[in-house]
Amino acid sequence: DQQVKQNSPSLSVQEGRISILNCDYTNSMFDYFLWYKKYPAEGPTFLISISSIKDKNEDGRFTVFLNKSAKHLSLHIVPSQPGDSAVYFCAASAGGYSTLTFGKGTMLLVSP
Amino acid sequence: DVKVTQSSRYLVKRTGEKVFLECVQDMDHENMFWYRQDPGLGLRLIYFSYDVKMKEKGDIPEGYSVSREKKERFSLILESASTNQTSMYLCASSSPGQLNTEAFFGQGTRLTVV
Repeated sequence: DQQVKQNSPSLSVQEGRISILNCDYTNSMFDYFLWYKKYPAEGPTFLISISSIKDKNEDGRFTVFLNKSAKHLSLHIVPSQPGDSAVYFCAASAGGYSTLTFGKGTMLLVSP
Repeated sequence: DVKVTQSSRYLVKRTGEKVFLECVQDMDHENMFWYRQDPGLGLRLIYFSYDVKMKEKGDIPEGYSVSREKKERFSLILESASTNQTSMYLCASSSPGQLNTEAFFGQGTRLTVV
């Protein structure tokens, strides 16, 4: 049973445009969400997170939006840069003493 | 700069061998994790540890065991390697108190079992 779903395996965007990566979840107990970025042959690196008490969190070019009623979150990258090309994983947890549940990832390709 | 180091980038082992994957972190983190990453399946948690000598099963512990004798070191053991354990293995650590905080990952070990 997949509790965190990233339904788009890949996304292609032109440099300078907005990239929107989506994530849906089924577990209503999830209250903390994170995005990780992973380059080939490297480990994932933390990008941005959001608590369920918020609906938006922004860090530079990266913004995460949370819609609790729809059990949906999205990561916006504006403007997209070729160096953003990577696999992006959405992760969620149900409380501080539960581990992270990851989605399958979305490969983003930003072309010049 | 925080660091999680995995002992090998690439490993090739034979079916039936006992395999040890080592991970060391220098951040004095209590929590450590082992994941495997497979195409189309994302990251799946194998085992985790929230303290020395403590270990908990993750989502896919079958065929694996772990050891945490020292705070900075977390080892993953494949008791008898099989071809379906060919995968990218990722170690991670995070700060104490909560298991869901930002985790720092190692560079990964690409294991091939032939």
